[in-house]
Amino acid sequence: AQTVTQSQPEMSVQEAETVTLSCTYDTSESNYYLFWYKQPPSRQMILVIRQEAYKQQNATENRFSVNFQKAAKSFSLKISDSQLGDTAMYFCAFNAGGTSYGKLTFGQGTILTVHP
Amino acid sequence: EADIYQTPRYLVIGTGKKITLECSQTMGHDKMYWYQQDPGMELHLIHYSYGVNSTEKGDLSSESTVSRIRTEHFPLTLESARPSHTSQYLCASSAPGLAGLTQYFGPGTRLTVL
Repeated sequence: AQTVTQSQPEMSVQEAETVTLSCTYDTSESNYYLFWYKQPPSRQMILVIRQEAYKQQNATENRFSVNFQKAAKSFSLKISDSQLGDTAMYFCAFNAGGTSYGKLTFGQGTILTVHP
Repeated sequence: EADIYQTPRYLVIGTGKKITLECSQTMGHDKMYWYQQDPGMELHLIHYSYGVNSTEKGDLSSESTVSRIRTEHFPLTLESARPSHTSQYLCASSAPGLAGLTQYFGPGTRLTVL
């Protein structure tokens, strides 16, 4: 079974600054997928960024980027130029692929607050 | 936002009542999922479906049941609600193939059982 751990229950950052959210995972799989999802207050959960384990290059999506360290089983999310709209709960998630295709295992979540 | 809908958004009900939480999507996705999320907590998969007439239990044991008679519809039923069922229930769907790695979530149903 896979586990996903987010050790930061809450984080805060000033608008326009950079913040990094941490995530570690445990798996015996060699090929898998990692995700960061964002759940704004009272709004739908949406995908922020996705990383395929077989890709060495870190994924980026505009202001969002990841630091994927496969050997250390670490998958952190960096948000640059933070905006008020980034305030949300962020979940790290794991998908083992194969027969588990589509099934996600989530971390505990990190509440991020962006202050003006 | 994604075309996936859940009704009702909020439900307060007494113990012992039968309830059905509705989930529908208009994206033609073959895979659909139900997650349970306690306030401020992680999501746990309770049911999933890879297509019509296909349903499986997820990682978290649940007394609820699901059905998938139509591609777009994936309702969740509790035959006899109890206070321990109080939680938020999120429905999600994903497309076939590698595109199916991305799940699209509904707005959730917040259930309170008195």
